[in-house]
Amino acid sequence: DVKVTQSSRYLVKRTGEKVFLECVQDMDHENMFWYRQDPGLGLRLIYFSYDVKMKEKGDIPEGYSVSREKKERFSLILESASTNQTSMYLCASSQQGTLTGQPQHFGDGTRLSIL
Amino acid sequence: ILNVEQSPQSLHVQEGDSTNFTCSFPSSNFYALHWYRWETAKSPEALFVMTLNGDEKKKGRISATLNTKEGYSYLYIKGSQPEDSATYLCAFLIQGAQKLVFGQGTRLTINP
Repeated sequence: DVKVTQSSRYLVKRTGEKVFLECVQDMDHENMFWYRQDPGLGLRLIYFSYDVKMKEKGDIPEGYSVSREKKERFSLILESASTNQTSMYLCASSQQGTLTGQPQHFGDGTRLSIL
Repeated sequence: ILNVEQSPQSLHVQEGDSTNFTCSFPSSNFYALHWYRWETAKSPEALFVMTLNGDEKKKGRISATLNTKEGYSYLYIKGSQPEDSATYLCAFLIQGAQKLVFGQGTRLTINP
């Protein structure tokens, strides 16, 4: 089975801090994604990557950056955390080919609180 | 702006009853529709990836249909069980895009 591991289930940080959320997948998937989920809204795509060192902006990239130095790891960075970035963050991966014809495999999520 | 709508937003069903809910999406430039189940404290799990108009897929007591011409998909659960309690997400992909657009989900609660 595919395993997508997010580094923390719960995280509390302060406004202005630089925050790193880490995601590792063990199935050699080319594609990796970062989403956030807020009450009443669907999953919203922040950034995605379809290869090492490649990144594409999703729908809500402002205030975030990403890093993909190795195929299995995709990091989400909050450059200067703000309270409106308090949310549930989900990482996902999928095989290449038909980019989103393949199902995405998700991690358990990181519930991030910015105080 | 692409919009994917799921209805209802929440649903309470008695154990043993069957239920269904809807995902509506733009009918033009369709490429694929995904269904995911997200149980509390777990990760979302893929149920179906559907690509063809008229497609019907089944996984145990759960099945889904797809109408790409009118832009909707139904998810059916037969004989609901407590373990079916979850949020069900649909996600839409248009041709040429590289990302899924998710609906807000249908939160299903099965009452014993």
